[in-house]
Amino acid sequence: GAGVSQSPSNKVTEKGKDVELRCDPISGHTALYWYRQSLGQGLEFLIYFQGNSAPDKSGLPSDRFSAERTGGSVSTLTIQRTQQEDSAVYLCASSLSLAGGPVYNEQFFGPGTRLTVL
Amino acid sequence: GQQLNQSPQSMFIQEGEDVSMNCTSSSIFNTWLWYKQDPGEGPVLLIALYKAGELTSNGRLTAQFGITRKDSFLNISASIPSDVGIYFCAGRSGNTGKLIFGQGTTLQVKP
Repeated sequence: GAGVSQSPSNKVTEKGKDVELRCDPISGHTALYWYRQSLGQGLEFLIYFQGNSAPDKSGLPSDRFSAERTGGSVSTLTIQRTQQEDSAVYLCASSLSLAGGPVYNEQFFGPGTRLTVL
Repeated sequence: GQQLNQSPQSMFIQEGEDVSMNCTSSSIFNTWLWYKQDPGEGPVLLIALYKAGELTSNGRLTAQFGITRKDSFLNISASIPSDVGIYFCAGRSGNTGKLIFGQGTTLQVKP
């Protein structure tokens, strides 16, 4: 596809359940990022993957959050035992590379997954 | 941790007016970015700035990377209704992919 795609677009779940959010980056982009956007707020960095390097997990808010990237392409963000404060829009972005210099690592965002925890 | 303060929080202007918004940081960035977000969509990159003092234009948009590397502004000239949306600044330091975002400026344009 032409851009970053995310699924599902909306997810409603009950407190305590696990959820999985999926991101398909732009073909050829080696870096992939996850952000969280609470209502009326800016984006909060969660995690990013760059090629085969160890991911930067410094933004994950708790050990209930994890993410993986299989085959250097698709990524899944998993939230275990969801809480009401996890309700937010989860945005994925991808970029060509970090190593190629600043022009190559500008991030293109998907439309997001709106998560509602009841 | 690093924080960005973006102002104003919201603006309601008449079509044709110029708009200015800015961001300040508690620490130095080596890249400043300005994004626009429409409802239900992800942010779209408007302008990227890579050098202190750099002034860059993209159509009616102009942005500058502050000399101190701790601030940036975005100007929109002759606003039109399709400029409506939320504008975010974002900064990056070092060789990390992580972006730090401002809280956003909501722009409304009255025809």
